[in-house]
Amino acid sequence: EDQVTQSPEALRLQEGESSSLNCSYTVSGLRGLFWYRQDPGKGPEFLFTLYSAGEEKEKERLKATLTKKESFLHITAPKPEDSATYLCAVHPMDSSYKLIFGSGTRLLVRP
Amino acid sequence: NAGVTQTPKFRVLKTGQSMTLLCAQDMNHEYMYWYRQDPGMGLRLIHYSVGEGTTAKGEVPDGYNVSRLKKQNFLLGLESAAPSQTSVYFCASSTYPTYEQYFGPGTRLTVT
Repeated sequence: EDQVTQSPEALRLQEGESSSLNCSYTVSGLRGLFWYRQDPGKGPEFLFTLYSAGEEKEKERLKATLTKKESFLHITAPKPEDSATYLCAVHPMDSSYKLIFGSGTRLLVRP
Repeated sequence: NAGVTQTPKFRVLKTGQSMTLLCAQDMNHEYMYWYRQDPGMGLRLIHYSVGEGTTAKGEVPDGYNVSRLKKQNFLLGLESAAPSQTSVYFCASSTYPTYEQYFGPGTRLTVT
């Protein structure tokens, strides 16, 4: 069965304290892996798509990486405005247009 | 370019009442989706559409119906609301070949 697991469920960081969020997945084949940011009371906002192992994408303080079994979202020197829930989703090879979402990691960055 | 919009933003229903949620997108996307998001359960797919006039069941379709009469609109209906349908509902759209989904702002529904 296709599955996506995110860890940790919640993460508290001090401003400037770098860390990583993990997304591990089990799928028969991977078309793509997506990262989203969700602020309270809002819809998920698209961040990155990764398609193959070894690929990396960067945006400001965020860098996403992909291996054959997991993806990491690295946050370098975070700021309070980076506080949000980060969602990971996989697009399995055999699921046509549907994505499978993880439950997310709630990130709180304190000043 | 508004992206994906949803109406209404909030709604309170009594058990047994019906309502329709409207989703509209202006990106000319082929695929559209309805999700519900509940604490601790993540996003769960209710129904989806791969094109105008087509719909398909997702992970949790019971108690909901959908229609896609126009490419840009995707409607979610609740015929007889139940307290278990209290949730936040998100609409999303995507296109070939990237399939990345773009979400609307959500509708918070409470059924009493």
